[in-house]
Amino acid sequence: DAKTTQPTSMDCAEGRAANLPCNHSTISGNEYVYWYRQIHSQGPQYIIHGLKNNETNEMASLIITEDRKSSTLILPHATLRDTAVYYCIVGYNFGNEKLTFGTGTRLTIIP
Amino acid sequence: GAVVSQHPSRVICKSGTSVKIECRSLDFQATTMFWYRQFPKQSLMLMATSNEGSKATYEQGVEKDKFLINHASLTLSTLTVTSAHPEDSSFYICSARVQGTGNPGELFFGEGSRLTVL
Repeated sequence: DAKTTQPTSMDCAEGRAANLPCNHSTISGNEYVYWYRQIHSQGPQYIIHGLKNNETNEMASLIITEDRKSSTLILPHATLRDTAVYYCIVGYNFGNEKLTFGTGTRLTIIP
Repeated sequence: GAVVSQHPSRVICKSGTSVKIECRSLDFQATTMFWYRQFPKQSLMLMATSNEGSKATYEQGVEKDKFLINHASLTLSTLTVTSAHPEDSSFYICSARVQGTGNPGELFFGEGSRLTVL
């Protein structure tokens, strides 16, 4: 699996957009970009995933660069409940394909 | 979305005993499930891939005789920590994808099971 690089930590003011970057320069053509988050002492929660095109759902938007070597997760209006560790993962989108977690970004939303 | 459930959520045991953790896919079938372990302030580490009806595939450095995995049905995988010791104390998390579609999409995670070995 391709590896990812994320900042260790970030702060964001409540109500503002949180932009979390991720570098995945060794991503292969068929690998997807996945974002998960983990709130303390809980299992990871799926946020969004994409291959080439930008994606948006009720939780977030995913912006993938044209060369696919990096991406940005955007939480449009951050709330205190968005404080968590956010993981960017690249992997194949098959049912039996494992996903390997990196160190993630600890996002703290500040009141 | 699909639901993955783990039991127990917390377990405390004495050193030398064995502990079984169950992982169930509640509303979908999963021929493959994944087991992760997470130590405090660290990321999730993949331990093994559980395959229904066959032997699990273990990641490098994970002792298969220590962490027994059984995937007897399409909705249940179990992880047994044998002869547990304090260093096995950790947060164990299972996950699975919906099978049988052209675009499985996300991996669904259980709530996790916190094991404390005294």
